[in-house]
Amino acid sequence: EVQLVESGGGVIQPGGSLRLTCVVSGFSVSSNYVTWVRQAPGKGLEWVAVIYKDGTTYYADSVKGRFTVSRDTSTNTVFIQMKSLRVEDTAMYYCAREVGVTGNLDYWGQGTLVTVTS
Amino acid sequence: DIQMTQSPSSLSASVGDRVTLTCRASQSIGNYLHWYQQKPGEAPKLLIYEASNLQSGVPSRFSGSGSGTDFTLTISSLQPEDFATYYCHQSSSTHTFGQGTKLEIK
Repeated sequence: EVQLVESGGGVIQPGGSLRLTCVVSGFSVSSNYVTWVRQAPGKGLEWVAVIYKDGTTYYADSVKGRFTVSRDTSTNTVFIQMKSLRVEDTAMYYCAREVGVTGNLDYWGQGTLVTVTS
Repeated sequence: DIQMTQSPSSLSASVGDRVTLTCRASQSIGNYLHWYQQKPGEAPKLLIYEASNLQSGVPSRFSGSGSGTDFTLTISSLQPEDFATYYCHQSSSTHTFGQGTKLEIK
């Protein structure tokens, strides 16, 4: 059974840092793409970043230079390190498996909430 | 980035109705278009991938069509569990989502 479980969210002040974790079971992060998507309260979905099976990463312009995605293949875990957080980064953060050829997101975690507030 | 525009933003319908939701891309995306359903407090769920392929386990009352810039999601006979928000998503280039269509009970 495929599962993705996010953790690490919380309340943080503007300018602070936070690292989110996505623990994966049922597939290998070294042979699949894992994407991060966020959703601000009451708003729509926003693509944030992806890590490809070769380790290549891509980011949305809104987080480029502030967020970094990495992975630990030994624990089958993907991370997103978030720095210089802004109020507008407040959102539920989801990790999801991306089907490499087509780009659709077929399995999602339950999300972890990040609140950036002073 | 490619902009995705969904219409309508909200829709009221009754159980048993046939409804069609629309998603338009600002430039051609081939068939790299996917549809998700999201209920309050839950993660999105994949319904349709590559414009017209039904994800495993999704009821056959859901169908998708289109290519290039114009796409539709059709629910042939609404069921109570279908009232939710629906998002389109393009993966042709840097991924983007539509703003969503909220489907409400009339």
